[in-house]
Amino acid sequence: DAGVIQSPRHEVTEMGQEVTLRCKPISGHNSLFWYRQTMMRGLELLIYFNNNVPIDDSGMPEDRFSAKMPNASFSTLKIQPSEPRDSAVYFCASSSVNQPQHFGDGTRLSIL
Amino acid sequence: GQQLNQSPQSMFIQEGEDVSMNCTSSSIFNTWLWYKQDPGEGPVLLIALYKAGELTSNGRLTAQFGITRKDSFLNISASIPSDVGIYFCAGPYDNAGNNRKLIWGLGTSLAVNP
Repeated sequence: DAGVIQSPRHEVTEMGQEVTLRCKPISGHNSLFWYRQTMMRGLELLIYFNNNVPIDDSGMPEDRFSAKMPNASFSTLKIQPSEPRDSAVYFCASSSVNQPQHFGDGTRLSIL
Repeated sequence: GQQLNQSPQSMFIQEGEDVSMNCTSSSIFNTWLWYKQDPGEGPVLLIALYKAGELTSNGRLTAQFGITRKDSFLNISASIPSDVGIYFCAGPYDNAGNNRKLIWGLGTSLAVNP
């Protein structure tokens, strides 16, 4: 079975540019999560969706970050404009009701 | 809010040795999850614990849900080089039935010398 699929795997861009990260959850999972991982802060939950509806976005750092889930098989996390401090590994995870989360392999983002 | 403390922060051991790491919380949990992250990959679930006192094994890995519900332990027996990685504990952000939002420890980094 296909796991959570994220793209791109790596992204290097200049400060001020728009960045879009993409995620395809596991088929049949109804919850989707976006995380950011850094050495200093570990894994931080940014936002999660349940049945395509954003439930908790309290972890989104600021208005430069936005996330959408237009359907059950696709989600995006967008940063506009990007800043060097946004450099991190961004993970998408999905789960079904009351089941543990399954993670993608992440997008390593570097903002120069 | 709730916090998770993992220890040790890192370990460097010889192949064949047993490993023990733990996680403590500032409040009671009703679920404990243990994940492993290999370099360049996302965390992968190793063991899930749902009941105080529960002891669960997955191959050479054994995890226990502490009786106080504020701690959990993960043991690895007879370590091998592929055990290298970062081990994370995680638990629900609140115990009000919302098992979707998790909080995470900062991880235990394990290195195994062949």
